[in-house]
Amino acid sequence: DAKTTQPTSMDCAEGRAANLPCNHSTISGNEYVYWYRQIHSQGPQYIIHGLKNNETNEMASLIITEDRKSSTLILPHATLRDTAVYYCIVRFSTNFGNEKLTFGTGTRLTIIP
Amino acid sequence: GAVVSQHPSWVICKSGTSVKIECRSLDFQATTMFWYRQFPKQSLMLMATSNEGSKATYEQGVEKDKFLINHASLTLSTLTVTSAHPEDSSFYICSARDRRTIGNTIYFGEGSWLTVV
Repeated sequence: DAKTTQPTSMDCAEGRAANLPCNHSTISGNEYVYWYRQIHSQGPQYIIHGLKNNETNEMASLIITEDRKSSTLILPHATLRDTAVYYCIVRFSTNFGNEKLTFGTGTRLTIIP
Repeated sequence: GAVVSQHPSWVICKSGTSVKIECRSLDFQATTMFWYRQFPKQSLMLMATSNEGSKATYEQGVEKDKFLINHASLTLSTLTVTSAHPEDSSFYICSARDRRTIGNTIYFGEGSWLTVV
């Protein structure tokens, strides 16, 4: 799986949009970009994933650059409950093989009241 | 999203005993499940990949005889920590692949805290 690079930590004011960047310059054509977050002492929570196009769901938006070498996760109106470690992961997705998720160190996002 | 449940949420056991952790996919069938371990202030480390009906695939450095994995059905995988020692105390997390989704999304359980005394 391609490696990703994320800032170690970020702060965001409550109610503002939180924009979390991720670089994945070695991503291959059939690797997806996944975002998870982990709130202290809990299992990771799936947020969103995408291949080429921008994606949006009830939790967040994912913006992927045209060359797919970087992406940004956007939490539109951050709340205190969004304080967590956010992981950007790229992986293959096939119906064969194990397509495991390899976690890096992630970005520790702190929402400031 | 799909639901993955682990049991127990936390367990304390005596050194030298074995402890079993269960991982269930509640609303989907999972041919593949993954087991992770996480020490305080560290990221998740993959221990093994569990495949239904076949032997698990262990990551380098993980002792397969110490961490027994069984994936006997499409909704249940178990991790047994045998002859547990205090250094095995950790947060153990399972995940399961949902093949119904585009991209075969992987969902995680709540995690299980193991303390060996």
